[in-house]
Amino acid sequence: EAEVAQSPRYKITEKSQAVAFWCDPISGHATLYWYRQILGQGPELLVQFQDESVVDDSQLPKDRFSAERLKGVDSTLKIQPAELGDSAMYLCASSLQRPPDTQYFGPGTRLTVL
Amino acid sequence: DQQVKQNSPSLSVQEGRISILNCDYTNSMFDYFLWYKKYPAEGPTFLISISSIKDKNEDGRFTVFLNKSAKHLSLHIVPSQPGDSAVYFCAAANAGNMLTFGGGTRLMVKP
Repeated sequence: EAEVAQSPRYKITEKSQAVAFWCDPISGHATLYWYRQILGQGPELLVQFQDESVVDDSQLPKDRFSAERLKGVDSTLKIQPAELGDSAMYLCASSLQRPPDTQYFGPGTRLTVL
Repeated sequence: DQQVKQNSPSLSVQEGRISILNCDYTNSMFDYFLWYKKYPAEGPTFLISISSIKDKNEDGRFTVFLNKSAKHLSLHIVPSQPGDSAVYFCAAANAGNMLTFGGGTRLMVKP
């Protein structure tokens, strides 16, 4: 069964450093999402792509976060500089079409900022 | 402003009994609702969904009920199995727009 791939699975960094996360969606899925999940809370959408275009980044802290999906396939989420409050699980998901089409999630990247 | 709320952070149920997980929402524009299940160290996996034109959707042991007037949905698992122990998230959307997730309920099914 096709899956969403994410790497790394775990990342520990010091504050003010730069970090980057990678996501490879299920083949053929045009819509890709990045979510942040803080412990004890539900996932919160950071950015949504339709092919290579950003559809929604209203919740993305643009002063330090950036996301790209240059060829409309895999995607990278970057944080620079990282802050203590960025410690969370970063989840990538993909779907064939826009919401509310079923989203398939990757295993996530657990970020710890020291 | 939490538009989707799961007021019970945890629920413990005996194996074989019914598990009922609840979810409330405030945005009357939501017209599609989903439940996701999450095991530790894994991403959420889709479980079941319901459109606002229905009040019930069933898939095997899982049934979702929607009460639009009360802005409330629930997930019933019958019979509950130890493998159902996980965190369950409800999510809501209106067509073309992003999913809004609740905070999750941890279900523990005891053998």
